[in-house]
Order: sequence, then structure tokens, then C-alpha cells
Amino acid sequence: ETGVTQTPRHLVMGMTNKKSLKCEQHLGHNAMYWYKQSAKKPLELMFVYNFKEQTENNSVPSRFSPECPNSSHLFLHLHTLQPEDSALYLCASSQGTGSVNYGYTFGSGTRLTVV
Amino acid sequence: AQKITQTQPGMFVQEKEAVTLDCTYDTSDQSYGLFWYKQPSSGEMIFLIYQGSYDEQNATEGRYSLNFQKARKSANLVISASQLGDSAMYFCAMREKSGGGADGLTFGKGTHLIIQP
Repeated sequence: ETGVTQTPRHLVMGMTNKKSLKCEQHLGHNAMYWYKQSAKKPLELMFVYNFKEQTENNSVPSRFSPECPNSSHLFLHLHTLQPEDSALYLCASSQGTGSVNYGYTFGSGTRLTVV
Repeated sequence: AQKITQTQPGMFVQEKEAVTLDCTYDTSDQSYGLFWYKQPSSGEMIFLIYQGSYDEQNATEGRYSLNFQKARKSANLVISASQLGDSAMYFCAMREKSGGGADGLTFGKGTHLIIQP
């Protein structure tokens, strides 16, 4: 257990479905992140939240909608996805965004398949 | 241009041998942090080691050490006495302090390390 929990671990959804990914951290961190990991590509930063305010949206399509109700919880709402959105979605947290010393603690990821 | 380059897509190493995973980076910042993560087949990213750009000593954590050559912009990971459980993907990452704030880690494409008995 890293202190960052993601649910569900696996998700299969149709292109017309709506689903949500959940991430929860118990580390007292102030920043949370969503990353997408596709086969044979580097991890792609999607969203950054610091003290529950969104500080970065890395040109992510609007079919991905993040929500951060507090510093401990982060959601990724999914709707009308495409098959190319199938990937491993990783959540991470860090003490904050203000220092290069702050590494990430990752969750185990949600393996998403869009059919 | 890629910010993090890992030139070894895959490596096979005999158990108990030392292994070096290459990483070069590109930044114009003076202050930055370099990280290595391990990702087993289960998917979780596990933090291994950190090196700050101003650190004069190479970082070490147990069997892991980071060979930091600042002038060459290189941050290779060295694993001593490799074990079967070291088989995984390994990612080099960098955090920069650009634009007044750190915007997150930038990752390389990774190296798939397989330890053979």
C-alpha cells in the first residue's frame, strides 16, 4: 500500500457510457495528478490540482472531466470515450507543486478498455 | 525535443550482475530534480531514488545508485547485484522549476529490464 488508492483497478466501458475513476490519498499531500499511460508512449500528464484548485490542464479532450472536492480525493469523469482512450490511468500525489524536490506517490492505476 | 531520453527499450541481465540504465535529460533550468521509478507488471509506479541538481554527491538507496553527470546531463541508474524481482519497467523522470512553479514530472519512455536466472 502506497497511501494512494485507485478504484476500480479494471474498467471496460462502451463508447456511449459514463463512468468515473476515483483516487484517494492518505498522505496529507496537497497536490494530485492524473496521468495517462498508453502502450509504447511516455506517461502523459493530464491534470494537476494543488490545494484542490486545478493548476494545469494539458490540452486534454473535454470527454475527460476531472473533479477535486478536497486535497485527498480526485475523480476523473469519463463520457463518450474513443477506443484510443484505452490506457492505464495513474493517479499520483505529492507534497505540492512548489519544489523540484517533491516526487510523486502513485496509485496502482485503473486499466481502462473502451469497446 | 524530448526532455528525457532513455535509449534502451529493453535489457536482459543475468541474476546477480550489476546493471546500468541510461537516462539523459534536457533542461535550461538551474534547479531541477531527477527521479527513477520502477513499474512492475501490476502497474504501480514505485519511487526508487532522487537526485537534486545542486546535490554534489551521487544519490544512493540500498542497491540503487544514481550516476549523476551534470555536464553531460546524464542520470543513469545503477542496480547492484540484480535479483529476479528487479524485472520491470524503469522510468527516468525530471521535475523543473519553470515559469515560477513546478508543473509535474516529465517521464522518459522507459526501459524494460528482464533479469534472467
